[in-house]
Amino acid sequence: RKEVEQDPGPFNVPEGATVAFNCTYSNSASQSFFWYRQDCRKEPKLLMSVYSSGNEDGRFTAQLNRASQYISLLIRDSKLSDSATYLCVVRVGGFKTIFGAGTRLFVKA
Amino acid sequence: SQTIHQWPATLVQPVGSPLSLECTVEGTSNPNLYWYRQAAGRGLQLLFYSVGIGQISSEVPQNLSASRPQDRQFILSSKKLLLSDSGFYLCAWSVLFDRRGAEAFFGQGTRLTVV
Repeated sequence: RKEVEQDPGPFNVPEGATVAFNCTYSNSASQSFFWYRQDCRKEPKLLMSVYSSGNEDGRFTAQLNRASQYISLLIRDSKLSDSATYLCVVRVGGFKTIFGAGTRLFVKA
Repeated sequence: SQTIHQWPATLVQPVGSPLSLECTVEGTSNPNLYWYRQAAGRGLQLLFYSVGIGQISSEVPQNLSASRPQDRQFILSSKKLLLSDSGFYLCAWSVLFDRRGAEAFFGQGTRLTVV
């Protein structure tokens, strides 16, 4: 079983749609959680950290469920510019950072 | 502000040739450093991470090695490249701010093609 698993997609949605991604992790000792965004042929960049109480940043909402060991990302009112690959990231201990394979999103006009 | 430099941006190497990719970080001290590889259409695979000079942890057995000769320098090497070494190599750094950890910042990556 992979340490971090994501639905690879692709998700094809129209502009304005709401889309949700899920991610599961296998190590119950995981301490930190993030969502990164990666544009085609570019380096990943942090989208948002994920906190236990859930957190929101504009149109983006992240949730963490430690009991079920999954993380989610909700994007509301999708924009064309949201098209990218979204990577679920889990940090075990202070240093070891594991990336999921990513979920591809295409937002169409 | 902190910056990370990784070079070269692209590289085409013949099978059996050596490899040396370099990454340097500026504007921070004692960063955690990482090497990742991303195969075409796949996620990032952690290859090595380092928490200090001379301290290297290897995540997967492979044809590659890493070294950290200075606090802010991380080098990825191979003595003889294989076709399967082709991919997008990314260097990253982070600093542990609190128990939540901290985000990792990535270099722009090296696209390696072994022919």
